[in-house]
Amino acid sequence: SQQGEEDPQALSIQEGENATMNCSYKTSINNLQWYRQNSGRGLVHLILIRSNEREKHSGRLRVTLDTSKKSSSLLITASRAADTASYFCATANTGFQKLVFGTGTRLLVSP
Amino acid sequence: DTAVSQTPKYLVTQMGNDKSIKCEQNLGHDTMYWYKQDSKKFLKIMFSYNNKELIINETVPNRFSPKSPDKAHLNLHINSLELGDSAVYFCASSPRVGVTEAFFGQGTRLTVV
Repeated sequence: SQQGEEDPQALSIQEGENATMNCSYKTSINNLQWYRQNSGRGLVHLILIRSNEREKHSGRLRVTLDTSKKSSSLLITASRAADTASYFCATANTGFQKLVFGTGTRLLVSP
Repeated sequence: DTAVSQTPKYLVTQMGNDKSIKCEQNLGHDTMYWYKQDSKKFLKIMFSYNNKELIINETVPNRFSPKSPDKAHLNLHINSLELGDSAVYFCASSPRVGVTEAFFGQGTRLTVV
């Protein structure tokens, strides 16, 4: 079964607004990662947060991790039309050699 | 230079045929993967290889047979294709086992008719 559930499934905002996506997972993790997928393309890694970290920033991205609630959030600030894509969280479980992906959030940023 | 490249990008074939998808990475990574993305965009791991050795097989039907001739290549052969095999197949690589960042190919859209 899918490891992660993402919320919302779809999000539509205007340029300049912030976008927040949430991810919940089920088991212990080594790290959690966020990926972006543009339509018809492969996935691109955005940011990785380790299980002993609570918050991480990269440019306009801010990721939080709450291991007690088994959840993470991705905040994209000052969104742009080019941010339109699907966003996936992925967990790397301790001792496993794979990434397990969430269900994804489709983000639409309108000019 | 493309880091992870897959060929072909599109593949349309009839039920019962056998087909192969090739993947190559020029990143010097030890670990390679095959993922399947279905029509609802769910991504599921199929296989994981480390230094040419299979380390994960996620209960994929025997009709799917990966082959890694060297650590830069991981090909996927599919026998007796079925309608349900229609999906986008992604190859990916990461520096080593224990998964840090994964680098994905552009995907192969397989359509079985």
